[in-house]
Amino acid sequence: DIQMTQSPSSLSASVGDRVTITCRASQGISSWLAWYQQRPDKAPKSLIYAASSLQSGVPSRFSGSGSGTEFTLTISSLQPEDFATYYCQQYVYYPFTFGGGTKVEIK
Amino acid sequence: EVQLLESGGGLVQPGGSLTLSCAASGFTFNSYGMGWVRQPPGKGLEWVSGTTATGGNTYYADSVKGRFTISRDNSKNTLYLQMNSLRVEDTAVYYCAKNRGSGGSNLDYWGQGTLVTVSS
Repeated sequence: DIQMTQSPSSLSASVGDRVTITCRASQGISSWLAWYQQRPDKAPKSLIYAASSLQSGVPSRFSGSGSGTEFTLTISSLQPEDFATYYCQQYVYYPFTFGGGTKVEIK
Repeated sequence: EVQLLESGGGLVQPGGSLTLSCAASGFTFNSYGMGWVRQPPGKGLEWVSGTTATGGNTYYADSVKGRFTISRDNSKNTLYLQMNSLRVEDTAVYYCAKNRGSGGSNLDYWGQGTLVTVSS
């Protein structure tokens, strides 16, 4: 199975900060990577697919990049509603594995 | 508006069985792959199972292979997860999710989840 490793596992940031989260795959997955946001006690929400394509309705402050084994999710200016946990997922090889998550907390 | 409504969760003893259902609306159900993802209390997401638009292909995580069965009834716009030989470690919120495409792809819409508790 492909292992997905996210870093950091948690971070503290202030409103307006630029935040970057990294996701590494144990083997190449081309651009078959998605990012999800999960607020406390809510279902996950799709943010980005194909490594860099924004899901409809997602604010443009979210962006994704990367290919192969290394990917990043960037929030250009953190907003209060962005404090949540973020997960990456590969969807090229079954089973479709998730990263362990990155919790973004208020500084 | 896409809506996914899970049901069927509850308390079950180890070794028992449970069937989850996911009623879909707001999209052409038979054109999209579907999947199940679970989340143990306080932990991260785990992909559990997926199926293609026709139901002709099914896939499972190693942790549930041979115990869980995913299926769909396209005439009823409903996805199922039959869970047998349940273990304590299967305790989780189970989410139903829609694929962006007809086969395996990212999950663009999620249900609200249903809690399965396996305990004696």
